Amino acid sequence: NAGVTQTPKFRILKIGQSMTLQCTQDMNHNYMYWYRQDPGMGLKLIYYSVGAGITDKGEVPNGYNVSRSTTEDFPLRLELAAPSQTSVYFCASSRTSLSNQPQHFGDGTRLSIL
Amino acid sequence: GESVGLHLPTLSVQEGDNSIINCAYSNSASDYFIWYKQESGKGPQFIIDIRSNMDKRQGQRVTVLLNKTVKHLSLQIAATQPGDSAVYFCAETVNDKVIFGPGTSLSVIP
Repeated sequence: NAGVTQTPKFRILKIGQSMTLQCTQDMNHNYMYWYRQDPGMGLKLIYYSVGAGITDKGEVPNGYNVSRSTTEDFPLRLELAAPSQTSVYFCASSRTSLSNQPQHFGDGTRLSIL
Repeated sequence: GESVGLHLPTLSVQEGDNSIINCAYSNSASDYFIWYKQESGKGPQFIIDIRSNMDKRQGQRVTVLLNKTVKHLSLQIAATQPGDSAVYFCAETVNDKVIFGPGTSLSVIP
């Protein structure tokens, strides 16, 4: 199994451009998450989904959108890229809720907005 | 030694020594705790977890200790190896929400 796969690994955007960060998992996990990681900071939750067709905001959702049309895929959309969105983005999944199990993470997308 | 500031706290240990990485968690109601290891350019990887009804749990070369009285979690790595060099961070879970710590950078000196 590949686990959680994120594409692209790196990307440079100009201010105002849009892009979609792709995330797919092959573990048949119900729960999926998007985090951003800034230097010296813990992971911050952007959006999460408890199953296909269901999404919810996390701690820092502004400037982002998500969709969950299938169990496997959970893309993250930036509509108008801003310098503050320069970060490393991680997608994660878990089989059920987080009360008793860890998350599985992808290797991240490193995004720079110039 | 350790340093704290704008950069991650760092811990340097000699190869073969034991490492102890500490974490202060924030919520006394947190009931599940996880240690992750993050190597450069990679995503976080699960190491070991512990529930709040336990105070110690052992894995292969790793031990997690939980002190609920002072809201403190520690990760002990026995016989530290160069491959253990990474950022380690703890996560606490309360009401199905996860809070991640900022991490500690472990550097192993050969």
